[in-house]
Amino acid sequence: DVKVTQSSRYLVKRTGEKVFLECVQDMDHENMFWYRQDPGLGLRLIYFSYDVKMKEKGDIPEGYSVSREKKERFSLILESASTNQTSMYLCASSPLADTQYFGPGTRLTVL
Amino acid sequence: QKEVEQNSGPLSVPEGAIASLNCTYSDRVSQSFFWYRQYSGKSPELIMSIYSNGDKEDGRFTAQLNKASQYVSLLIRDSQPSDSATYLCAVNPGNQFYFGTGTSLTVIP
Repeated sequence: DVKVTQSSRYLVKRTGEKVFLECVQDMDHENMFWYRQDPGLGLRLIYFSYDVKMKEKGDIPEGYSVSREKKERFSLILESASTNQTSMYLCASSPLADTQYFGPGTRLTVL
Repeated sequence: QKEVEQNSGPLSVPEGAIASLNCTYSDRVSQSFFWYRQYSGKSPELIMSIYSNGDKEDGRFTAQLNKASQYVSLLIRDSQPSDSATYLCAVNPGNQFYFGTGTSLTVIP
């Protein structure tokens, strides 16, 4: 079975803090994705990556950056957390152009 | 214009009935289509994928695809209370997934 893990299920941070969200997949998938999910807005793509050290902006990249130094690991970074970044963050991985498999999600609260 | 449109619901059906969930998409080059189920507070989990026109059945679930009409649907037969969740439609035109906002389904015992 595909396994996608995320570093935290719940996280509480203060405004202005730098926040790291880690995602690891164990299926050697090429593609990895970061989404945020908010009520009424659905899943919105922040960044995605097709390969190590490659990254592409999604629909809402502002305020976020990513890092992919190893194929299995994709990190989302909030450089200076703000209250409007309070959300559920979901990581996903997929083989080329095929099914996405999601991690359990991180519910981030920024105070 | 949204890439993927779903009725947000809520959709309520009695236990044992057929639940019908619908999705339309705007990108005609889309080749891959997916249905995910998401329980409250949990992450989406894949139910079905479909790539060709017609029906695809897996247990109580049937996905239907009509590329000419840009329409994909999910039928759940013999609905159970455990099917109560939000169902997300997703399409992949080649290099990125587009998700609908989901349809909330409640199965009433």
